[in-house]
Amino acid sequence: DQQVKQNSPSLSVQEGRISILNCDYTNSMFDYFLWYKKYPAEGPTFLISISSIKDKNEDGRFTVFLNKSAKHLSLHIVPSQPGDSAVYFCAASDVTSGTYKYIFGTGTRLKVLA
Amino acid sequence: DVKVTQSSRYLVKRTGEKVFLECVQDMDHENMFWYRQDPGLGLRLIYFSYDVKMKEKGDIPEGYSVSREKKERFSLILESASTNQTSMYLCATWGNSYEQYFGPGTRLTVT
Repeated sequence: DQQVKQNSPSLSVQEGRISILNCDYTNSMFDYFLWYKKYPAEGPTFLISISSIKDKNEDGRFTVFLNKSAKHLSLHIVPSQPGDSAVYFCAASDVTSGTYKYIFGTGTRLKVLA
Repeated sequence: DVKVTQSSRYLVKRTGEKVFLECVQDMDHENMFWYRQDPGLGLRLIYFSYDVKMKEKGDIPEGYSVSREKKERFSLILESASTNQTSMYLCATWGNSYEQYFGPGTRLTVT
């Protein structure tokens, strides 16, 4: 049972435009969400997080939106740059319960075209 | 900055060999994790540890074991490597904030 889903395995976007990556989850107990970027042959690097008490968090070109009622979060990258080409993973956890575990989605490969 | 290092970037082993993957962190984090990443399957949790000598099974522990004798070091052991354990193995830590910090990964090929 996939509790965190990224239904788009890949996405292509022109340089300078907006990239929108989506993530859905099924467990209503999840209260903290992360986005990671991963280049080939490297470990994932943390991008941005959001707590369930918020619906938006921004960090430079990256914004994460959380819609708790729809159990949906999205990562917006504006403007997209060729260096953003990577695989993006969303992850969710029930941190309040102290489980110390994240459930990761399957990833979306973003390609930014110059 | 948190530093998580893994003993090897690339490893090639034969079927049936015992394989040790080591992870070391320098931030005194309590929690450490081992994942494997496969195309189309994302990151799947193998084992994690929230303290020295403590371990918990993740979602796919079969064929693996772990060891945590010191706080900074978390080892993943493949008792008898099989071809279906060919994968990218990622170690991570979790400290006082809620982010996990990952090592560079070990690409293991079992032939």
